[in-house]
Order: sequence, then structure tokens, then C-alpha cells
Amino acid sequence: KQEVTQIPAALSVPEGENLVLNCSFTDSAIYNLQWFRQDPGKGLTSLLLIQSSQREQTSGRLNASLDKSSGRSTLYIAASQPGDSATYLCAVNPWGQNFVFGPGTRLSVLP
Amino acid sequence: DARVTQTPRHKVTEMGQEVTMRCQPILGHNTVFWYRQTMMQGLELLAYFRNRAPLDDSGMPKDRFSAEMPDATLATLKIQPSEPRDSAVYFCASGLAHANNSPLHFGNGTRLTVT
Repeated sequence: KQEVTQIPAALSVPEGENLVLNCSFTDSAIYNLQWFRQDPGKGLTSLLLIQSSQREQTSGRLNASLDKSSGRSTLYIAASQPGDSATYLCAVNPWGQNFVFGPGTRLSVLP
Repeated sequence: DARVTQTPRHKVTEMGQEVTMRCQPILGHNTVFWYRQTMMQGLELLAYFRNRAPLDDSGMPKDRFSAEMPDATLATLKIQPSEPRDSAVYFCASGLAHANNSPLHFGNGTRLTVT
């Protein structure tokens, strides 16, 4: 059974810092992996999707990497801003199964 | 800008009442998911449809919950009778099956409070 964990559970950083959020999964047989952002009272917004054949994806200040063999993905946020404050969730899409979500990392970027 | 639409956004009801939540997936998407989110449990999958057929509803309490897709533009989640422990945010999401470059799109959820 696929399990997804995220470290740290919460993170508080001053504005301008670069930061890394971690996601680990137990079964490397995945179709793709997605990183989402969730603001309070809102749904999840897809940030980046990495296909199983890819190593990384970039969008603006965000860069996500995928290492299937080690069961890890990282989300790198450059030059963090207060508007980046949110909960970040990763989800893996195992072959033939439904998405499995991690518990999320709650990020606070202090002005 | 295509989006998943959920109604209502908020619902407050008394224990024992029926609750119906609705979801309009993105046009052309062939998979629909219902999730429940609570502080304690995080995101839990309740039901999953592909091409309107239910594929997995193992996460749903069968005695009180039911999920259907009357047509490709509407998915419903019903709770009858509702209980206080059902209080949560219910999310609908849609996507494309067998397209590993197609992201999952979420609605803004229905916040349910059962008193």
C-alpha cells in the first residue's frame, strides 16, 4: 500500500529565503507526482506535475524534483514571499490506483 | 478558465437530515473524485468515478453515503442521515485517466457542519 509522508509538518521562514519541502513515498511504481498548494478555506491548486519519466519540473520560482528509486520528491521555492504562505501537499498517482496524498507542510513566510 | 464547480459552498444542517453536495467537473474530464478533509484525518478519498462508472467507493460509509454521476456534467454526494462526525470539507476533483501529464483539478469544496 502506497504511503506518502511530508517533512517538515510546518515551516516558518523570513521573506527572501530559499526553502525546500520534502515528500517521500513508499512504492516507486508511480504514474506521476503532483505538488499542490492549499490556502485556508480553499481547494487545492495544482502547482507542478512530474511524470514518472521526468526528473524535474519548473514554474517560475518553483522547482520540483523526482527521484523514483529513492521514493522522494522535493519542492524548491526560491526567494520566498509572504504570498507563498499556504499548505503544500504532494500526491502520488500509483499505477492503476487512486491518488495518495501526503499530510502537507504548512508554510509561513514572515515579512 | 476551466474549473471544477461545487455547490453549496457552505451547509449547516441538523443531525438526521439529508445532505446533497453537487459537483460539475471540467468539461472533457473523465475521472471524478470525492474527498473529505478534516484536521485530524487530512484528505480521505471517498469515491472515484471513471467515465461515470464508480470504480472505488471503499472509503465511503455505505450505510449513509452514496455517490452518483447522473451525467458527465454532474456528480453528487449524498449523506442520509447526517451525523455530527460528518462535519468536514468535502472536495470534488476531476482529471483525465491514463494521461500522466494531466493534473488533478479541485473545486473549492463544500464546508459541511452537522449540529
